[in-house]
Amino acid sequence: AAGVIQSPRHLIKEKRETATLKCYPIPRHDTVYWYQQGPGQDPQFLISFYEKMQSDKGSIPDRFSAQQFSDYHSELNMSSLELGDSALYFCASRPGQGLDTQYFGPGTRLTVL
Amino acid sequence: AQSVAQPEDQVNVAEGNPLTVKCTYSVSGNPYLFWYVQYPNRGLQFLLKYITGDNLVKGSYGFEAEFNKSQTSFHLKKPSALVSDSALYFCAVNTDKLIFGTGTRLQVFP
Repeated sequence: AAGVIQSPRHLIKEKRETATLKCYPIPRHDTVYWYQQGPGQDPQFLISFYEKMQSDKGSIPDRFSAQQFSDYHSELNMSSLELGDSALYFCASRPGQGLDTQYFGPGTRLTVL
Repeated sequence: AQSVAQPEDQVNVAEGNPLTVKCTYSVSGNPYLFWYVQYPNRGLQFLLKYITGDNLVKGSYGFEAEFNKSQTSFHLKKPSALVSDSALYFCAVNTDKLIFGTGTRLQVFP
């Protein structure tokens, strides 16, 4: 079965640079979530989209922005990167809205030097 | 505020023995509870969920969990542990976003 695809899998950036992370949800899934997992921490919700509209926002810095496109893929744009942004970034998808299962991608490991 | 707690940072068990990974929740209304597993350098894999119905929920890889409303718990269990079960386990409550516990590292020894 098709899974959530994230690219790139690994990314190394310098401080103050920008990064773009991409997420391709499972086919026919129109809801996408982004989570950030710092070293040794649990995943923290950043932002979510349903049908190309932002549906909820968590502890996402103002330096980050995201959108969902017409084909339902999503991109997380991160600017003025800081050392503390180094983390594993997960995308999850599900069909429709509600509280049922979210399916996670393999994550993008971002390292900021 | 909705939350889940995993009181154990690590659980050690011998292969073949039963295992339990604990989770308690604090949720207003009906809880939507999940267990996910994370292997090193991998994403979060869905194991099982409780939304409604039977309190004993069966999931992937022989895992099950028991929803206990009076004790506000949702412990993950497996009758016979495998070395390959060694991983990081997260309990979560779904409020449309997932709120995770701090995770429990399961180590199964041969």
